Amino acid sequence: QKEVEQDPGPLSVPEGAIVSLNCTYSNSAFQYFMWYRQYSRKGPELLMYTYSSGNKEDGRFTAQVDKSSKYISLFIRDSQPSDSATYLCAMKNSGAGSYQLTFGKGTKLSVIP
Amino acid sequence: KAGVTQTPRYLIKTRGQQVTLSCSPISGHRSVSWYQQTPGQGLQFLFEYFSETQRNKGNFPGRFSGRQFSNSRSEMNVSTLELGDSALYLCASSFEPGQGMTNSPLHFGNGTRLTVT
Repeated sequence: QKEVEQDPGPLSVPEGAIVSLNCTYSNSAFQYFMWYRQYSRKGPELLMYTYSSGNKEDGRFTAQVDKSSKYISLFIRDSQPSDSATYLCAMKNSGAGSYQLTFGKGTKLSVIP
Repeated sequence: KAGVTQTPRYLIKTRGQQVTLSCSPISGHRSVSWYQQTPGQGLQFLFEYFSETQRNKGNFPGRFSGRQFSNSRSEMNVSTLELGDSALYLCASSFEPGQGMTNSPLHFGNGTRLTVT
């Protein structure tokens, strides 16, 4: 079992839809949770960064972390064609002295106008 | 503020050759990490540097090496290239206030696309 599992998709939705992206993980030491967006031929761009369990909202994006279920989600409201990209979840433990992220393989999203 | 800069953007090399990739972190960031991205394996951690010292290393063979300079700029080197080394190599930097507090997010560059023929 991989440490982080993410459905690769592809996921295709109409413009304006609510998108739900998810990751599950097995390492209970993970404390920091991130979502990155990666456009073709670009590096990953940080979207959301959360610590431990709970929700965080930023504009049209909401990140949720449920540590008891080892499950994280990213919701995109009012999706736009410009949201078409690959979305990567990433996690790290709280250990000081090292910054090693473990990534999911990414979900490819297409928002159709 | 300029982002993470990686050079070159594209490289084509032949099996057996070696290659050096360069990374300039965001100004003020002292931690630099390298990742390899392939369609099959996704993003995999290579190594991480802080204040010119390798702090952590992923599960890659010794052909992969790196270093960090006093200005936080970093290079990674791959010797004796193999076809399987073809990938997007990503550099990322983060700000650490000190004492190894690694709770600030990673910011990535656009990568170097390496093709080995």
